[in-house]
Amino acid sequence: QSALTQPASVSGSPGQSITISCTGTSSDVGGYNYVSWYQQHPGKAPKLMIYDVSTRPSGISNRFSGSKSVNTASLTISGLQAEDEADYYCSSYSSRSTHYIFGTGTTVTVL
Amino acid sequence: QVQLVESGGGLVKPGGSLRLSCAASGFTFSDYYMNWIRQTPGKGLEWVAYINSNGGTIYYADSVKGRFTISRDNAKNSLYLQMTSLRAEDTAVYYCARDWRYGSGSYSPWGQGTLVTVSS
Repeated sequence: QSALTQPASVSGSPGQSITISCTGTSSDVGGYNYVSWYQQHPGKAPKLMIYDVSTRPSGISNRFSGSKSVNTASLTISGLQAEDEADYYCSSYSSRSTHYIFGTGTTVTVL
Repeated sequence: QVQLVESGGGLVKPGGSLRLSCAASGFTFSDYYMNWIRQTPGKGLEWVAYINSNGGTIYYADSVKGRFTISRDNAKNSLYLQMTSLRAEDTAVYYCARDWRYGSGSYSPWGQGTLVTVSS
Protein backbone atom coordinates (compact mmCIF):
# COMPACT_ATOMS: atom_id res chain seq x y z
CA GLN A 1 0.00 0.00 0.00
CA SER A 2 1.13 3.60 -0.56
CA ALA A 3 1.11 5.94 2.39
CA LEU A 4 -0.05 9.54 2.26
CA THR A 5 2.81 12.04 2.41
CA GLN A 6 3.25 14.24 5.48
CA PRO A 7 6.19 16.42 6.52
CA ALA A 8 8.39 14.63 9.04
CA SER A 9 8.29 17.50 11.48
CA VAL A 10 6.63 20.85 12.11
CA SER A 11 7.41 23.21 14.95
CA GLY A 12 6.01 26.39 16.41
CA SER A 13 6.08 28.59 19.48
CA PRO A 14 3.30 28.63 22.07
CA GLY A 15 0.34 30.64 20.84
CA GLN A 16 1.29 30.37 17.18
CA SER A 17 -0.61 28.47 14.50
CA ILE A 18 0.86 25.60 12.53
CA THR A 19 -0.42 23.58 9.59
CA ILE A 20 0.34 19.95 8.79
CA SER A 21 -0.18 18.82 5.21
CA CYS A 22 -1.24 15.39 3.99
CA THR A 23 -0.69 14.87 0.28
CA GLY A 24 -2.27 12.10 -1.70
CA THR A 25 -3.81 11.61 -5.12
CA SER A 26 -7.17 11.75 -6.82
CA SER A 27 -7.59 8.09 -5.83
CA ASP A 28 -7.59 8.91 -2.14
CA VAL A 29 -7.52 12.38 -0.56
CA GLY A 30 -8.71 14.16 -3.68
CA GLY A 31 -11.48 11.73 -4.49
CA TYR A 32 -13.25 11.34 -1.18
CA ASN A 33 -14.22 13.45 1.82
CA TYR A 34 -13.06 10.71 4.16
CA VAL A 35 -9.95 12.29 5.67
CA SER A 36 -9.28 11.79 9.38
CA TRP A 37 -6.54 13.09 11.66
CA TYR A 38 -5.10 11.41 14.75
CA GLN A 39 -2.91 12.68 17.58
CA GLN A 40 -0.51 10.26 19.26
CA HIS A 41 1.55 11.03 22.35
CA PRO A 42 4.59 8.82 23.04
CA GLY A 43 3.61 5.39 24.26
CA LYS A 44 -0.10 6.12 23.85
CA ALA A 45 -2.76 5.07 21.39
CA PRO A 46 -3.81 7.39 18.57
CA LYS A 47 -6.71 9.74 19.33
CA LEU A 48 -9.22 10.89 16.72
CA MET A 49 -9.06 14.67 16.27
CA ILE A 50 -10.84 15.27 12.94
CA TYR A 51 -13.00 13.12 10.65
CA ASP A 52 -14.76 13.68 7.33
CA VAL A 53 -12.09 16.31 6.46
CA SER A 54 -13.20 18.97 8.92
CA THR A 55 -15.52 17.58 11.61
CA ARG A 56 -14.36 17.54 15.24
CA PRO A 57 -15.63 14.82 17.58
CA SER A 58 -17.20 16.15 20.74
CA GLY A 59 -14.59 17.06 23.31
CA ILE A 60 -11.91 18.03 20.81
CA SER A 61 -10.73 21.62 21.14
CA ASN A 62 -11.79 24.06 18.41
CA ARG A 63 -8.10 24.98 18.13
CA PHE A 64 -7.91 21.98 15.80
CA SER A 65 -9.37 22.39 12.33
CA GLY A 66 -9.21 20.43 9.10
CA SER A 67 -9.53 21.30 5.44
CA LYS A 68 -8.82 19.95 1.99
CA SER A 69 -7.78 21.36 -1.38
CA VAL A 70 -7.54 19.09 -4.40
CA ASN A 71 -5.25 16.24 -3.33
CA THR A 72 -3.92 17.76 -0.10
CA ALA A 73 -5.60 17.74 3.29
CA SER A 74 -4.45 19.98 6.12
CA LEU A 75 -4.67 20.04 9.88
CA THR A 76 -4.26 23.44 11.52
CA ILE A 77 -3.54 23.85 15.20
CA SER A 78 -4.10 27.39 16.41
CA GLY A 79 -2.97 28.81 19.74
CA LEU A 80 -0.30 26.13 19.99
CA GLN A 81 0.10 24.69 23.49
CA ALA A 82 2.75 22.47 25.08
CA GLU A 83 0.25 19.59 25.27
CA ASP A 84 -0.08 19.65 21.47
CA GLU A 85 3.45 18.24 21.16
CA ALA A 86 2.82 14.80 19.65
CA ASP A 87 2.81 12.82 16.44
CA TYR A 88 -0.05 13.44 14.02
CA TYR A 89 -1.32 11.09 11.33
CA CYS A 90 -3.81 11.61 8.55
CA SER A 91 -5.83 8.86 6.89
CA SER A 92 -8.05 8.58 3.84
CA TYR A 93 -10.04 6.06 1.87
CA SER A 94 -8.08 4.78 -1.11
CA SER A 95 -9.83 3.38 -4.15
CA ARG A 96 -6.58 1.74 -5.26
CA SER A 97 -6.40 -0.44 -2.19
CA THR A 98 -10.16 -0.34 -1.46
CA HIS A 99 -9.52 0.40 2.17
CA TYR A 100 -8.21 3.19 4.38
CA ILE A 101 -4.57 4.24 4.33
CA PHE A 102 -2.56 6.38 6.73
CA GLY A 103 -0.06 9.15 6.32
CA THR A 104 3.63 8.92 7.12
CA GLY A 105 3.20 10.93 10.31
CA THR A 106 4.35 14.35 11.49
CA THR A 107 6.07 15.17 14.76
CA VAL A 108 4.92 18.50 16.17
CA THR A 109 7.36 20.25 18.44
CA VAL A 110 6.39 23.20 20.62
CA LEU A 111 9.45 25.40 20.94
CA GLN B 1 -16.15 4.97 30.24
CA VAL B 2 -15.65 3.58 26.77
CA GLN B 3 -12.62 1.30 26.87
CA LEU B 4 -10.83 -1.26 24.73
CA VAL B 5 -8.14 -3.50 26.21
CA GLU B 6 -5.99 -5.75 24.02
CA SER B 7 -4.12 -8.83 25.16
CA GLY B 8 -2.35 -11.84 23.70
CA GLY B 9 0.74 -10.27 22.20
CA GLY B 10 4.20 -11.71 22.65
CA LEU B 11 7.25 -13.23 21.00
CA VAL B 12 6.61 -15.86 18.34
CA LYS B 13 8.84 -17.59 15.79
CA PRO B 14 8.39 -17.07 12.06
CA GLY B 15 5.67 -19.40 10.81
CA GLY B 16 4.02 -19.47 14.22
CA SER B 17 0.57 -18.44 15.35
CA LEU B 18 -0.88 -16.05 17.90
CA ARG B 19 -4.37 -15.00 18.94
CA LEU B 20 -5.05 -11.44 20.01
CA SER B 21 -8.08 -10.45 22.08
CA CYS B 22 -9.75 -7.11 22.67
CA ALA B 23 -12.15 -6.66 25.58
CA ALA B 24 -14.68 -3.87 25.16
CA SER B 25 -16.55 -2.06 27.92
CA GLY B 26 -18.58 1.10 28.45
CA PHE B 27 -20.64 0.82 25.27
CA THR B 28 -22.97 -1.61 23.49
CA PHE B 29 -20.33 -3.65 21.70
CA SER B 30 -22.81 -5.45 19.45
CA ASP B 31 -23.86 -2.13 17.88
CA TYR B 32 -20.43 -1.25 16.55
CA TYR B 33 -18.13 -2.21 13.71
CA MET B 34 -14.59 -2.98 14.83
CA ASN B 35 -11.08 -2.97 13.38
CA TRP B 36 -7.54 -4.13 13.99
CA ILE B 37 -4.82 -1.62 13.11
CA ARG B 38 -1.09 -2.12 13.56
CA GLN B 39 1.85 0.23 13.94
CA THR B 40 5.51 -0.32 13.20
CA PRO B 41 8.38 2.15 13.53
CA GLY B 42 9.28 1.66 9.89
CA LYS B 43 5.92 1.50 8.10
CA GLY B 44 3.79 3.55 10.46
CA LEU B 45 0.10 2.81 10.83
CA GLU B 46 -1.57 0.10 8.75
CA TRP B 47 -5.21 -0.93 8.83
CA VAL B 48 -5.35 -4.73 9.12
CA ALA B 49 -8.93 -5.99 9.32
CA TYR B 50 -12.58 -4.94 9.75
CA ILE B 51 -15.67 -6.74 11.00
CA ASN B 52 -19.22 -5.46 11.06
CA SER B 53 -21.50 -5.64 14.06
CA ASN B 54 -22.80 -9.19 13.53
CA GLY B 55 -19.65 -10.64 11.97
CA GLY B 56 -21.28 -11.07 8.60
CA THR B 57 -19.01 -8.68 6.70
CA ILE B 58 -15.23 -8.90 7.00
CA TYR B 59 -12.39 -7.21 5.12
CA TYR B 60 -8.62 -7.69 5.27
CA ALA B 61 -5.57 -5.82 4.10
CA ASP B 62 -3.85 -7.63 1.24
CA SER B 63 -0.76 -8.07 3.42
CA VAL B 64 -2.59 -10.38 5.84
CA LYS B 65 -5.31 -11.92 3.68
CA GLY B 66 -5.30 -15.71 4.00
CA ARG B 67 -3.19 -15.63 7.17
CA PHE B 68 -5.20 -13.57 9.66
CA THR B 69 -8.79 -14.09 10.79
CA ILE B 70 -10.87 -11.46 12.55
CA SER B 71 -13.85 -12.54 14.64
CA ARG B 72 -16.03 -11.34 17.49
CA ASP B 73 -18.16 -12.68 20.31
CA ASN B 74 -20.85 -10.13 21.11
CA ALA B 75 -21.97 -12.11 24.15
CA LYS B 76 -18.49 -11.68 25.60
CA ASN B 77 -17.97 -8.11 24.31
CA SER B 78 -14.78 -9.31 22.67
CA LEU B 79 -12.93 -8.95 19.40
CA TYR B 80 -10.26 -11.38 18.21
CA LEU B 81 -7.47 -11.63 15.66
CA GLN B 82 -6.14 -15.09 14.88
CA MET B 83 -2.74 -14.74 13.24
CA THR B 84 -1.04 -17.66 11.48
CA SER B 85 2.03 -18.08 9.26
CA LEU B 86 3.54 -15.09 10.99
CA ARG B 87 6.41 -13.24 9.32
CA ALA B 88 9.03 -10.82 10.59
CA GLU B 89 7.17 -7.99 8.87
CA ASP B 90 4.12 -8.68 11.06
CA THR B 91 6.09 -7.38 14.05
CA ALA B 92 4.10 -4.41 15.32
CA VAL B 93 1.91 -2.98 18.03
CA TYR B 94 -1.61 -4.17 17.31
CA TYR B 95 -4.54 -1.94 18.26
CA CYS B 96 -8.22 -2.71 18.25
CA ALA B 97 -10.30 0.33 17.33
CA ARG B 98 -14.01 1.06 17.09
CA ASP B 99 -15.51 2.61 13.99
CA TRP B 100 -16.42 6.19 14.84
CA ARG B 101 -18.64 6.91 11.86
CA TYR B 102 -19.31 3.98 9.58
CA GLY B 103 -17.81 4.36 6.13
CA SER B 104 -15.58 7.31 6.98
CA GLY B 105 -12.47 5.41 8.01
CA SER B 106 -12.47 7.16 11.37
CA TYR B 107 -11.66 5.17 14.48
CA SER B 108 -12.35 5.98 18.12
CA PRO B 109 -11.47 4.90 20.66
CA TRP B 110 -8.36 2.78 20.28
CA GLY B 111 -7.05 0.29 22.81
CA GLN B 112 -3.64 0.70 24.39
CA GLY B 113 -2.14 -1.83 21.99
CA THR B 114 -0.39 -5.18 22.32
CA LEU B 115 3.09 -5.85 20.96
CA VAL B 116 3.66 -8.78 18.63
CA THR B 117 7.27 -9.68 17.87
CA VAL B 118 8.04 -12.26 15.20
CA SER B 119 11.63 -13.41 15.52
CA SER B 120 13.64 -16.59 15.71
